[in-house]
Amino acid sequence: AQSVTQLDSHVSVSEGTPVLLRCNYSSSYSPSLFWYVQHPNKGLQLLLKYTSAATLVKGINGFEAEFKKSETSFHLTKPSAHMSDAAEYFCVVSALGRLYFGRGTQLTVWP
Amino acid sequence: GAVVSQHPSWVICKSGTSVKIECRSLDFQATTMFWYRQFPKQSLMLMATSNEGSKATYEQGVEKDKFLINHASLTLSTLTVTSAHPEDSSFYICSASRPGGGETQYFGPGTRLLVL
Repeated sequence: AQSVTQLDSHVSVSEGTPVLLRCNYSSSYSPSLFWYVQHPNKGLQLLLKYTSAATLVKGINGFEAEFKKSETSFHLTKPSAHMSDAAEYFCVVSALGRLYFGRGTQLTVWP
Repeated sequence: GAVVSQHPSWVICKSGTSVKIECRSLDFQATTMFWYRQFPKQSLMLMATSNEGSKATYEQGVEKDKFLINHASLTLSTLTVTSAHPEDSSFYICSASRPGGGETQYFGPGTRLLVL
């Protein structure tokens, strides 16, 4: 069975400080993992994806995520938050052609 | 590349009427298209998966006679909410996957439906 757990429903950071959004997954298969971002009333934009190549994946807008099989984690990080990063972030596992979504983490960035 | 559009972005309708939402892949031919529903402050719920020229596969609990999906071409899928009721009000998002793209799905901007 596949499942995704996003450990924090809300994360608040100050502009210029690091961002950490946590995600743990469970999968019966070798998973493909994704992070998507959703701004209010918008669709989802792909930030990055892991597909069994390098375990450290770099995405758009300065985000990156590290796949750790031993910890079944795929945490999303960014060294320095920007106001425009405020949004909802979804960690997603793909298996057998369908996506399994985490419940989302709302990121707030304070000036 | 990999742009997906939806139309309309907003729709308000009266209870009992039907509403059609279009999903288009603009710069690629989509092997498969997906329809999701998202309630406020919640994650996406997969409603159905459709492949061009074949019947859609609906998730458990999704009424196929209420949510009609037509996948007429490799770049267009439509979702029709028939006899809409206020409880159908939601944010509907489509996505598409493309040949050689693996399991990556590219999402449309969503359609906000309000049924009065």
